[in-house]
Amino acid sequence: GENVEQHPSTLSVQEGDSAVIKCTYSDSASNYFPWYKQELGKGPQLIIDIRSNVGEKKDQRIAVTLNKTAKHFSLHITETQPEDSAVYFCAASISGSARQLTFGSGTQLTVLP
Amino acid sequence: KAGVTQTPRYLIKTRGQQVTLSCSPISGHRSVSWYQQTPGQGLQFLFEYFSETQRNKGNFPGRFSGRQFSNSRSEMNVSTLELGDSALYLCASSPRGTDTNTEAFFGQGTRLTVV
Repeated sequence: GENVEQHPSTLSVQEGDSAVIKCTYSDSASNYFPWYKQELGKGPQLIIDIRSNVGEKKDQRIAVTLNKTAKHFSLHITETQPEDSAVYFCAASISGSARQLTFGSGTQLTVLP
Repeated sequence: KAGVTQTPRYLIKTRGQQVTLSCSPISGHRSVSWYQQTPGQGLQFLFEYFSETQRNKGNFPGRFSGRQFSNSRSEMNVSTLELGDSALYLCASSPRGTDTNTEAFFGQGTRLTVV
């Protein structure tokens, strides 16, 4: 089955700096790659997603890039703010939708004021 | 618009007991997926329901089961509870079950503690 690896497990950045989280996947049939943010006591919240026919997608301070050949995708957060502090999860799916997701192990992002 | 509602939020059970968790998806959503989240194993897919039918199942023992009702509400059941079943159980709903290009919206989860 699909396996998703996520790095780093923890990341500390200064407010205003950029943060990058990387994931690799094993199943070349995967075609949907969402990123979730989970705050303490809450369920994961979708922040951005990308499909296999797109190489890059941006939404304000957040961007995701996908390299299908290398089977890896990355989350980029620019101009980080303290409220960006949370656990971030990448995921992959072969169904083209979020119905059955394989998650990475998560990255604890801390933005220092 | 109300989000995904999971009940109860917290639950304490004894080994050997069984438990039923409930999930009410966003109004109009027909697909419901369940995930188990633990510190050691992370987020793992349990199963997915659409139109009262289980369409996909993750790698969990038969003690884990679920169902979906005609109003799309879903329940999951864990029988003969083990200490290792202690986890946050998350439910996610999606608008449609057969189309691509649908995202999942998660509830806040049910925190199950087995003692």
